[in-house]
Amino acid sequence: QVQLQESGPGLVKPSQTLSLTCTVSGGSISSGGYYWSWIRQYPGKGLEWIGNIYYTGSTSYNPSLKSRITILVHTSKSQFSLEVNSVTDADTAVYYCARFCSSASCYRFAFDIWGQGTMVTVSS
Amino acid sequence: EIVLTQSPATLSLSPGERATLSCRASQSVSSYLAWYQQKPGQTPRLLIYDASNRATGIPARFNGSGSGTDFTLTISSLEPEDFAVYYCQQSSNWRQTFGQGTKLEIK
Repeated sequence: QVQLQESGPGLVKPSQTLSLTCTVSGGSISSGGYYWSWIRQYPGKGLEWIGNIYYTGSTSYNPSLKSRITILVHTSKSQFSLEVNSVTDADTAVYYCARFCSSASCYRFAFDIWGQGTMVTVSS
Repeated sequence: EIVLTQSPATLSLSPGERATLSCRASQSVSSYLAWYQQKPGQTPRLLIYDASNRATGIPARFNGSGSGTDFTLTISSLEPEDFAVYYCQQSSNWRQTFGQGTKLEIK
């Protein structure tokens, strides 16, 4: 079965770039009908969708974050990545990678598989 | 951006009771609405997709309904393991948003 695992620094200094990678195992990142997503959760609070990427490189971003984020896919490594520029303490959160289904042959328009999440703290 | 508003923020009930959670969208999302359960320290778990379809392995006591802007998650008879935070999520124009969550707590 498909599993996702986030990796990256747990501490980032203000104004620097947050970089995370999600490794997909147990299945192909190039499977049609699935997008690969980043979602974050502020401590003790709700969920915020960051963006999605298809294996072709096509992306969709949260408009409120679009100017600061880049999501890339690295199919040969079965990975996709997130960069958030110019971070502030408001970017402190648990970051999840997740699989998003876009077809009727799976859980249409829902996030069906999630990584365990990685806590990123922005602090000097 | 489509805003999802969940109510109530907190719901206090006892095991065996029926729980009714609401999610309202600021504009129509058709049936593209999902529900998740999150327990402390755990990852969100998909319960319902396409407004009313249960994901694999989800007990029959969980039921989703609604379309357009008004959606409901009903848990017919609460089990002790059902006390958690529940989120709704919509997908429109290839962008997704989540509701702020409803905390279901033991009374």
